[in-house]
Order: sequence, then structure tokens, then C-alpha cells
Amino acid sequence: AQSVTQPDIHITVSEGASLELRCNYSYGATPYLFWYVQSPGQGLQLLLKYFSGDTLVQGIKGFEAEFKRSQSSFNLRKPSVHWSDAAEYFCAVQGTDKLIFGTGTRLQVFP
Amino acid sequence: GAGVSQSPSNKVTEKGKDVELRCDPISGHTALYWYRQSLGQGLEFLIYFQGNSAPDKSGLPSDRFSAERTGGSVSTLTIQRTQQEDSAVYLCASSLTYSGNTIYFGEGSWLTVV
Repeated sequence: AQSVTQPDIHITVSEGASLELRCNYSYGATPYLFWYVQSPGQGLQLLLKYFSGDTLVQGIKGFEAEFKRSQSSFNLRKPSVHWSDAAEYFCAVQGTDKLIFGTGTRLQVFP
Repeated sequence: GAGVSQSPSNKVTEKGKDVELRCDPISGHTALYWYRQSLGQGLEFLIYFQGNSAPDKSGLPSDRFSAERTGGSVSTLTIQRTQQEDSAVYLCASSLTYSGNTIYFGEGSWLTVV
């Protein structure tokens, strides 16, 4: 069965700083990988996904993520964080059916 | 519709009552998923449908929880004899098929059991 680990529960960055959110997965084959963002009181919005091909994927809002098979990782990055990026970020993995989520990383952005 | 639609958006119910939560997936999507998100918690998988059948019900927390899908479209999640620990946001999602496609989420149904 697949599983996802997001080691950082809470991250604080200054506006304009770079950001990297970590995600490690466990699955026997190459999974489908997703990053979602959830603002307070809102549903989940898809930032980006990896299915196959180029291991560096671009998403919305200036985010990107890199799939590294050797490290079983799919870290999310953004070169310059905006105050509006403050939210909860969820990494998710899908094998053959259901989507399994990590516990999330709460991002706080200081001016 | 354009996205996944859930109703009601908010529901307050008394302990012991039954509740029904509805999900209307994106038109043409054969896979439908239910998740639960408790306050400050992550997303807990409940059940998923491929068409009208539910290959995986492993996440349903107790026999008080059930779900059905009819006509390959609308799904209803039913919680019988609600308890306070059932208070959570119930999220529905859909995708074109059950694997390898983007999964789109609704805004959720916020359930409060008092």
C-alpha cells in the first residue's frame, strides 16, 4: 500500500524568500504524485501533478516540483514566496486507485 | 457542472440523528472519492467508486457510515446515529477514471454534531 510523509508540520518564511516543502512517498512502482493547497475554510486546489515524463513539473502560482525516484521524493518549490501563499499544503500519492495524502505542511509567511 | 458540487455546505445536527451528504461529480467522471478532514487533521480516505460499484470501502470508520452512487453520477454519504466525533469536513472528489487522472475536489460539507 502506498503512503506519504511530509516531515515538516509547520514552516515559516519571509515574503520574497525561497521555499521548499518536503514530500516522501512509499510505493512499489512509480506512482502518480500530486500537490494540493488548501486555504483556510476552502477546498483543495491542485497545484501540480506528476504522471510520467519530465521529472521537473511546473504548476500554478509559480510552483514547481521535482520527482526523484532514487530518493522517493516529490518536493515542492517556489523561488519567491508571496504573502498569499500562506496556506496548508498536501502531498498525495496514487497507485492503482485511491489517493493517499500526507498530513500536510502549514506555511506561514511574514512580511 | 463545471466542478464538483457538494451539499449541504454546512450542516449542524443533533447527536443521534442521521445525516446525508450529497456529491455531484464533474460530468463524465467515472471515479468518485469521499474523504474526511477533522479539525487540524489531514485527509482521511473513506471510500471510492468506480461507476456505481465501490471497490474499496476500507476507510469507512464504522458501520454507521455508508455510501452509494446511482447512475454513475451523484453519490450520497450517509452517517447514521451521528456522534460528536463525526464532526468534520467531508470532501468529495472525482476524476475521469480511477487512476492516472487529475482528481478534482469539491468545497466540502462541514458537519457539526452537537
